[in-house]
Amino acid sequence: GQQVQQSPASLVLQEGENAELQCNFSTSLNSMQWFYQRPGGSLVSLFYNPSGTKHSGRLTSTTVIKERRSSLHISSSQTTDSGTYLCALVTGFASALTFGSGTKVIPCLP
Amino acid sequence: GGIITQTPKFLIGQEGQKLTLKCQQNFNHDTMYWYRQDSGKGLRLIYYSITENDLQKGDLSEGYDASREKKSSFSLTVTSAQKNEMAVFLCASSIDRAAETLYFGSGTRLTVL
Repeated sequence: GQQVQQSPASLVLQEGENAELQCNFSTSLNSMQWFYQRPGGSLVSLFYNPSGTKHSGRLTSTTVIKERRSSLHISSSQTTDSGTYLCALVTGFASALTFGSGTKVIPCLP
Repeated sequence: GGIITQTPKFLIGQEGQKLTLKCQQNFNHDTMYWYRQDSGKGLRLIYYSITENDLQKGDLSEGYDASREKKSSFSLTVTSAQKNEMAVFLCASSIDRAAETLYFGSGTRLTVL
């Protein structure tokens, strides 16, 4: 079965709303990476998070190994947050990255 | 800062055709990767290379060849294009295999007619 399950598949966000994206994994890991991909653009690394909580601006990543999950929290969302967020399970070297299928964040336009 | 350049941005080929995608990086990174991204799915590793002239197969290597003749460049060849492999192909590099940070190019979108 799939080693990494990412949810939700898509998310409509109003400006100012908070959101939580989830990744659940079924195997042991060294770390979890979170990436952001703008439509038609390259991936940008957001977090490399083996365990615990990391912050970067309005983004927070939390990895709980014993619960086999990692989350990405977006606070006070802005339209510029739209795009696809991907998690990747790191079980060894980067050659062993296993990606989730992504969460597409869509802005809710007034 | 550095950059990863993928060419072409869009590639259209005929079924059965041999097609080559190119990737250049000026980070002076050792390790380079080719991933395939299908619509609505995550990335899957095709090939990677830990140094010049090294090639390692990923999970999706069948139907592809790769070449790393220089440290700065990594090319991918689709040996016989098929309609079911229309996807975006992403090149990435990292300073070493530990790769706490991967840097990605903006991709080549392949369409097979």
